[in-house]
This record gives sequence, C-alpha cells and structure tokens, in this order.
Amino acid sequence: DAKTTQPNSMESNEEEPVHLPCNHSTISGTDYIHWYRQLPSQGPEYVIHGLTSNVNNRMASLAIAEDRKSSTLILHRATLRDAAVYYCILRRAQGAQKLVFGQGTRLTINP
Amino acid sequence: DSGVTQTPKHLITATGQRVTLRCSPRSGDLSVYWYQQSLDQGLQFLIQYYNGEERAKGNILERFSAQQFPDLHSELNLSSLELGDSALYFCASSVTGGTEAFFGQGTRLTVV
Repeated sequence: DAKTTQPNSMESNEEEPVHLPCNHSTISGTDYIHWYRQLPSQGPEYVIHGLTSNVNNRMASLAIAEDRKSSTLILHRATLRDAAVYYCILRRAQGAQKLVFGQGTRLTINP
Repeated sequence: DSGVTQTPKHLITATGQRVTLRCSPRSGDLSVYWYQQSLDQGLQFLIQYYNGEERAKGNILERFSAQQFPDLHSELNLSSLELGDSALYFCASSVTGGTEAFFGQGTRLTVV
C-alpha cells in the first residue's frame, strides 16, 4: 500500500484558513486521495477526495499537485468545530479498495 | 447521523469471554469495514466485506472473525478476549468499495 506522510500536529486560529499538507510520493496512477477527519469521541467522517484535479465541496477544498506526489486540504475559514485529527489516505480505484488510516494530523483551533 | 448503526454502544466483559459486535450499514451500501482503535494506536483496519464476501483483510487476529449476512448487516466476533482487546471498534459502510465511507459511532469494549 502506498504511504502518506502528514505532520503530527498543526495549530491555527478561528476564522482563518488552514492548509493541511500530505505527501504521497509513491502514489500510483489509479490511487484516489481521500481525506477523513475524526472529531473527539466520534467515528471518522468523510471530508473530500480527488484524483488529479482540485476539488471543492461544502466542507473543504482539495488541492492536488501536478505530479500528484502531494496534496493539501484547505479549510477556508476554520471554526472551533474543525478541531479534529485529519487523515490523508490513498485508495485504489479498483481491487481491494481498503481504507487504511495513518497517524493523521491533529488540528488545534485557537479561539 | 451517518446512517450506520452499531450495537451495543458499550460492552464490558471478562478475559477469556467471547462477544459479538453488530453493524447495520446505510441502506443500499454493499461494502462494510471494521476497525479497531486503541488509546495508544490509531485506527487499525481489520477487515472489509462486499456484498457478503470478504474483500480485504488487515491486521485481524485469528481470535477475531467477521461475516456479512444476506441482509448486508455484519457481525464482528471476538473470542478468548484479552485485556489488550479493550478498544473502540468502528464499523463503516460504503455503496461500493471505492466510494466515501460512513462510520458508525463505535462500540466501546472494555475487557476486565
């Protein structure tokens, strides 16, 4: 399975944008980049995913590097409710498609 | 509410015992995943089923087994329980194997 590398922790202020990086230098052409987050005492929650082009949804934006070896999850205006552990995961388009979580980035939002 | 239901929410049992955790996926979801989350470890992928068949296996112990039934609900059986099996067990479901997965609230297992 291709690996992802994320910073252990990040800190930001409320109402400011947050950029969460993820490196995946061994990504294959059929791997999708998925992001999930886990709020305290809850199950993980899907955030966004993409293949090659940048993606936007109501929760966040996903910026994917041209060579696909890295990506950035962007929270445009962080709130206290965005404090969570954010996971960047590579997922095969076909085959087993298992969803394997790494250590993630613990995001702290300061009021 | 993700639409994935896990029962029970909490379970306390003794070492050596056997328990069954149940997961009802979202309506229409064919794929079910099981995860274990201990305090000192992250989310460990255990096993995935798709439409009743085992699709992928992770770090699942031989004392653990799972199955997905014709109505698509799934059960995770944990036997010969040890103190180290105390953890949160999450179930997730997705329409297919590659689409976004929705997680339940988890079952907190405490082995004493």
